[in-house]
Amino acid sequence: AQSVTQLGSHVSVSEGALVLLRCNYSSSVPPYLFWYVQYPNQGLQLLLKYTTGATLVKGINGFEAEFKKSETSFHLTKPSAHMSDAAEYFCAVSDQGGGNKLTFGTGTQLKVEL
Amino acid sequence: SAVISQKPSRDICQRGTSLTIQCQVDSQVTMMFWYRQQPGQSLTLIATANQGSEATYESGFVIDKFPISRPNLTFSTLTVSNMSPEDSSIYLCSARGSGTTSTDTQYFGPGTRLTVL
Repeated sequence: AQSVTQLGSHVSVSEGALVLLRCNYSSSVPPYLFWYVQYPNQGLQLLLKYTTGATLVKGINGFEAEFKKSETSFHLTKPSAHMSDAAEYFCAVSDQGGGNKLTFGTGTQLKVEL
Repeated sequence: SAVISQKPSRDICQRGTSLTIQCQVDSQVTMMFWYRQQPGQSLTLIATANQGSEATYESGFVIDKFPISRPNLTFSTLTVSNMSPEDSSIYLCSARGSGTTSTDTQYFGPGTRLTVL
């Protein structure tokens, strides 16, 4: 069985500040890990993913995440927050090869303040 | 990547009625999924829609309540039957990518926002 824990249901940062959204996972098999973003009244958009290979992955809109197996973590970062980054962010883990069942974390609502 | 559309985008329904949600993908895909996102909650997988066979349901979800069709490789429907206010949620369709670069990723539709009175 797999699970995802996102610490902090709400995170608030100032515009221009570092964004750090935390994600820890549990998986009995090598995980495929994803970050999705959901803007108000919209569906989910893929930000980035880790499958195999390089553990630091870069995504859209300046976001990146690092897979740390020893810490079972996949934290999402962005060096400088922008007002347009305000949204809900979901971390997810897949069981087999990434294209199958996704298990989602509970989400983190990011607020960006002036 | 796959572009996914859903209809309707939102609806308000009366208790005891049923609603069918349509999901259309712009390319042929092997796997399609239906998720529920209850208010303020994360996404929960309802079922995997299998082309040419019955859907595979997750624990806590049953075919009588959430019948699913998958008549071809680009289309699926989810019906929410005999609705109650507890069914008020966003229902999202997703598809596994096709081709050589995105088969490890699920792409999501915009969702259907359902309110049951």
